[in-house]
Amino acid sequence: DAMVIQNPRYQVTQFGKPVTLSCSQTLNHNVMYWYQQKSSQAPKLLFHYYDKDFNNEADTPDNFQSRRPNTSFCFLDIRSPGLGDAAMYLCATSRGGVGPYEQYFGPGTRLTVT
Amino acid sequence: AQRVTQPEKLLSVFKGAPVELKCNYSYSGSPELFWYVQYSRQRLQLLLRHISRESIKGFTADLNKGETSFHLKKPFAQEEDSAMYYCALSGPQTGAQKLVFGQGTRLTINP
Repeated sequence: DAMVIQNPRYQVTQFGKPVTLSCSQTLNHNVMYWYQQKSSQAPKLLFHYYDKDFNNEADTPDNFQSRRPNTSFCFLDIRSPGLGDAAMYLCATSRGGVGPYEQYFGPGTRLTVT
Repeated sequence: AQRVTQPEKLLSVFKGAPVELKCNYSYSGSPELFWYVQYSRQRLQLLLRHISRESIKGFTADLNKGETSFHLKKPFAQEEDSAMYYCALSGPQTGAQKLVFGQGTRLTINP
């Protein structure tokens, strides 16, 4: 009964080679979030979708983009990965509106850049 | 600026001993405070939120606005409490909820 699914769990890409990470949910939540977590650091919000509205954090590099083709799926695209982009990427979902609502996290995708 | 500080990266206590994981925050306004937990090989999940004022798995956390703290406490630690604990805050949620996490405290309960 997995609720937030991330694929792949491990991704290896080459320096500069575009990569896409995917997230899907069975909760029918309005909001989907992407976090980046580097080793021994706090998860850091990159951006989120509230329904179809995309909201970028001010300090998210332009190299990171996202797509949400429907309620269930959300993608994280890294156009030209650098060595500094190696991290765990966490997808989360929540209900939207007046909360606070719990965020449900996926297991994460660990990205390695060679 | 919004900030969450968890001063202890590692905390080790014996089974049956009291546990306190510290969390201090910086936020102008009325934040929402949470504790999230990640057990070994499991995903990050909500443990408790300040607004609920509930006890989950024996853990409680009280929001102290004067000290800007939200420490997590349990009177008698159990081995299954070993995990990574993250304190997080957000502004009042009226749409999406933008969490700011602390760096986490790895709690180890020794038998």
